[in-house]
Amino acid sequence: GENVEQHPSTLSVQEGDSAVIKCTYSDSASNYFPWYKQELGKRPQLIIDIRSNVGEKKDQRIAVTLNKTAKHFSLHITETQPEDSAVYFCAASDELTGGGNKLTFGTGTQLKVEL
Amino acid sequence: GAGVSQSPSNKVTEKGKDVELRCDPISGHTALYWYRQSLGQGLEFLIYFQGNSAPDKSGLPSDRFSAERTGGSVSTLTIQRTQQEDSAVYLCASSLSGRRETQYFGPGTRLLVL
Repeated sequence: GENVEQHPSTLSVQEGDSAVIKCTYSDSASNYFPWYKQELGKRPQLIIDIRSNVGEKKDQRIAVTLNKTAKHFSLHITETQPEDSAVYFCAASDELTGGGNKLTFGTGTQLKVEL
Repeated sequence: GAGVSQSPSNKVTEKGKDVELRCDPISGHTALYWYRQSLGQGLEFLIYFQGNSAPDKSGLPSDRFSAERTGGSVSTLTIQRTQQEDSAVYLCASSLSGRRETQYFGPGTRLLVL
């Protein structure tokens, strides 16, 4: 089965700096890679996703890059703000075969943006 | 519209008791997933329902865990003879269909087994 590793487990940055979180996956059949943000005591919410037919996707201050050959993908947050503080989870799935889109998650990165 | 809802929000039970956790997906979503989130861990897939198809139970950790989905909408996750290691947050998610659709999560049920 799929295995997703995520680094770092904690990340502290100064407001306005960039933050980068990296994930690797093991199953070459995986083709869908979402990122979820989970604030303390709240539900995970999708912030961006990428499919294997593209190498990069950007949405305002958030971008995700994918390297299929190396089987890794990264989340980039620029101009960080205090409200970006949360736990971020990467995930991977093979959404085109089998039934459904069951996600395999990384173990999360606690991002803290300091004033 | 209303998002995914789950009940109860918190559940404390004694070891050996059975518990039932409920999930109400977004109206019209045919796919429903259960995940488990242990302290400091990522989310672990448990079970998946899609329409009238047989559920994918490949993530259930033991035969003490079961789930059903009645009428293609509400789902119940049952844990029999609970153990302390079952303590976790149980999250439900739904999507419009089983493929190429965003999964929307509920707030979770925090289960504590004493």
